[in-house]
Amino acid sequence: AQSVSQHNHHVILSEAASLELGCNYSYGGTVNLFWYVQYPGQHLQLLLKYFSGDPLVKGIKGFEAEFIKSKFSFNLRKPSVQWSDTAEYFCARRLGNQFYFGTGTSLTVIP
Amino acid sequence: EAGVAQSPRYKIIEKRQSVAFWCNPISGHATLYWYQQILGQGPKLLIQFQNNGVVDDSQLPKDRFSAERLKGVDSTLKIQPAKLEDSAVYLCASSLELQTSYNEQFFGPGTRLTVL
Repeated sequence: AQSVSQHNHHVILSEAASLELGCNYSYGGTVNLFWYVQYPGQHLQLLLKYFSGDPLVKGIKGFEAEFIKSKFSFNLRKPSVQWSDTAEYFCARRLGNQFYFGTGTSLTVIP
Repeated sequence: EAGVAQSPRYKIIEKRQSVAFWCNPISGHATLYWYQQILGQGPKLLIQFQNNGVVDDSQLPKDRFSAERLKGVDSTLKIQPAKLEDSAVYLCASSLELQTSYNEQFFGPGTRLTVL
């Protein structure tokens, strides 16, 4: 089955620490990849997306993600997290008409 | 710009009852999506519309779930009869156009359904 895997279910970091959240997708088809974020009490919103071109994608709020084709990965990174980054993060993939979301990673940033 | 609107925000029903959710997408968005998000899981796409036509409903449990978007704007998702395992947040999202590459989905606040 076409799927997206997120390995970190819950991450706890101190402010200013660096962040990397893992995302792997299954082989096959066009690669359209996304990272979404859901802040407490808010809607899901798009952080960044990759369709083609430069494998290093810059998103909002200082986030970036790197598409590594050989590893089937699209990991999310941020060099220095803030307390306001506390949220649920979802990796997603579009394949044809279907969208597949990972199970999400809950990030807690401690002031 | 107004976002995606959903109602109700919360609903509690007993099993075997019926329930309906409503979604009003962002004005001008041709594509509308309904997702089911069970606690601890990512959103699962149930059905998507392009204007008033169904693009994909392969993951919609059609024996109990139905959805429509009659005039290509608002949409309703219905469950009849509900089961305990239908307890979830039902998310609606919309995007400008399905086939373009830059089809960012904008999500509504969701309807939290509890089936007792």
